[in-house]
Amino acid sequence: KQEVTQIPAALSVPEGENLVLNCSFTDSAIYNLQWFRQDPGKGLTSLLLIQSSQREQTSGRLNASLDKSSGRSTLYIAASQPGDSATYLCAYNAGGTSYGKLTFGQGTILTVHP
Amino acid sequence: NAGVMQNPRHLVRRRGQEARLRCSPMKGHSHVYWYRQLPEEGLKFMVYLQKENIIDESGMPKERFSAEFPKEGPSILRIQQVVRGDSAAYFCASSMDGGTGELFFGEGSRLTVL
Repeated sequence: KQEVTQIPAALSVPEGENLVLNCSFTDSAIYNLQWFRQDPGKGLTSLLLIQSSQREQTSGRLNASLDKSSGRSTLYIAASQPGDSATYLCAYNAGGTSYGKLTFGQGTILTVHP
Repeated sequence: NAGVMQNPRHLVRRRGQEARLRCSPMKGHSHVYWYRQLPEEGLKFMVYLQKENIIDESGMPKERFSAEFPKEGPSILRIQQVVRGDSAAYFCASSMDGGTGELFFGEGSRLTVL
């Protein structure tokens, strides 16, 4: 059974801090891993997609890494801002499938206070 | 360039009624996925469709649920004889290809069963 665990479940930080969100998964035969953010009552916004052949991806203040051998991914957010407050979800292709059948973690609820 | 469009955004049904949720993928995308987010739970894959074909419905409940993606028009997720346990947010996602492409999600349709 494919599972995704995200730690911590919730995180509250002051503005300006650098932070790391963790994601671990059970299936090493993945095709890609994707990080999303979800605002309350809204849909999911794709942040970063890491292909299985890649080790990391960067977009602005965000950097995501992937270590297939250990079954872990981290999302690094630099210089956090109140607008970063949201739930962050990681998800990967389940069961070795090459299409968008994703297994999601429960998410990390991030609060950045001014 | 419009994103994934879902409607209705909110739907209230009484037990035993039918619910129809619609999803128009992003322009140029021919792969559609439906996910369900139950209260206090993570997103769960339901079904993957291409035009006129169901590719993977392994996440669909065996009864009362069906999905289609006709040659013309939006994808439809249909829930017959709804029960209170069907209350959830239903998200549609689309991708340009069925490989390791990035998924883009809609804002979701929130179904409440009274």
